Amino acid sequence: NAGVMQNPRHLVRRRGQEARLRCSPMKGHSHVYWYRQLPEEGLKFMVYLQKENIIDESGMPKERFSAEFPKEGPSILRIQQVVRGDSAAYFCASSLRQDTGELFFGEGSRLTVL
Amino acid sequence: DQQVKQNSPSLSVQEGRISILNCDYTNSMFDYFLWYKKYPAEGPTFLISISSIKDKNEDGRFTVFLNKSAKHLSLHIVPSQPGDSAVYFCAARFIPDKLIFGTGTRLQVFP
Repeated sequence: NAGVMQNPRHLVRRRGQEARLRCSPMKGHSHVYWYRQLPEEGLKFMVYLQKENIIDESGMPKERFSAEFPKEGPSILRIQQVVRGDSAAYFCASSLRQDTGELFFGEGSRLTVL
Repeated sequence: DQQVKQNSPSLSVQEGRISILNCDYTNSMFDYFLWYKKYPAEGPTFLISISSIKDKNEDGRFTVFLNKSAKHLSLHIVPSQPGDSAVYFCAARFIPDKLIFGTGTRLQVFP
């Protein structure tokens, strides 16, 4: 299966804990995007990364959230000191190039904060 | 501010008839528009796209129309099939990199 792989699919954390979500893009894709979907809402852009570079993080909350896409390994979205409002589905997407905007999405990671 | 709007949260259509999903946008700088389909507990799947320099793109049963003067696009599905039942998201690309999504329209196709 050469699709975008996200894990874990489901993650439960208590308030104040850390959440780490991982994303392996499609083979050959060098552009990775993270989106968040709150209940009954659309997908909200968070961050766009290429290998070892954050290109656009304009959608990331200023505190507690960080993302990386290292030279080797998956992209990681990290949420420190989680709060109940962080409960959402987090989707990773990858693309081969930028010119059409077509993104290939993973199945998402659903974070529940107790 | 919601730059991409899907004002109909749901739509119900009989099998074999046409489904028309609508989307409005506010930013004339968007250069590509896309439709994604999403089933529960799955990620969105790309369906069809259109460049801002065109007014129509067709792919099998799916056609997207773009009216730039009205800042409006629509997705036509004909004939509709029960397997088309899903949530459809309209998205617009904001140069150079991010997609702005609408809130989605839940389509139900009944026999």
